[in-house]
Amino acid sequence: DGGITQSPKYLFRKEGQNVTLSCEQNLNHDAMYWYRQDPGQGLRLIYYSQIVNDFQKGDIAEGYSVSREKKESFPLTVTSAQKNPTAFYLCASSSRQAGSYEQYFGPGTRLTVT
Amino acid sequence: QQQVKQSPQSLIVQKGGISIINCAYENTAFDYFPWYQQFPGKGPALLIAIRPDVSEKKEGRFTISFNKSAKQFSLHIMDSQPGDSATYFCAARSGSWANNLFFGTGTRLTVIP
Repeated sequence: DGGITQSPKYLFRKEGQNVTLSCEQNLNHDAMYWYRQDPGQGLRLIYYSQIVNDFQKGDIAEGYSVSREKKESFPLTVTSAQKNPTAFYLCASSSRQAGSYEQYFGPGTRLTVT
Repeated sequence: QQQVKQSPQSLIVQKGGISIINCAYENTAFDYFPWYQQFPGKGPALLIAIRPDVSEKKEGRFTISFNKSAKQFSLHIMDSQPGDSATYFCAARSGSWANNLFFGTGTRLTVIP
C-alpha cells in the first residue's frame, strides 16, 4: 500500500522537553510538508522540503526544526522553544512533476504538552 | 494574514439538501484550487480541484464553481448525506515551483437525517 505514515498517533510530553514526530512516505514524492492544525485556524505550514537535504521555513517555523536526510522521511522536532506546542500535526507529500499539484496527507499526530 | 478566506465556519443542512461553502482570495497568481475533506482524527483528503481556466467542475454530487473576476470559488454538495458530515477546507496553490498550498480556516458541515 502506498501512502504516508505518521507515528505515533497520540503523543504526550512534559513542558520543556523536545519531541520528534515521524513522517514516512512510500509514494516516491520529492516534496514533503509539515502543517499544524488548531481549531478554527485551518492548516498552517511549518516547514517544507522540495528535495533531500534541503528545506524551507513556512509561516510558523519558530520553535520547530526538521531534517530531510532521506527522500522517504521528514521528521519534525518540536522544541521547548515552541510556546504552544499542543496541536494536531499533519505531514503531507506531493510530486514535483509538472501539473501534479495534489498534496497527500498522513493521518496526523496529536501532541499534548502539559 | 489569511490568504484564503472561507465561510461559513459551520453549516447544518438537512439530508437531501444542498450544502454551499464559499472561499475568496486576493492573490491572482494562484493557479490551482482544491477542496479537502477531513473526518475527525484523520488527515485531509482531496475531494475535488479546479484550475482557473474553467468556471465549473463536477464530480458526482460535488461541484466547484469558480469566478475568476470576483476571485471567489465555492463548493456545492448536492443531495447532502449524513456521511458527508466532516470539515471542508478550500485551498489555493501559489504559482511557484514550491507547490505550496494556502488553506482556508475550514467549515464544519453537519448533515442531519
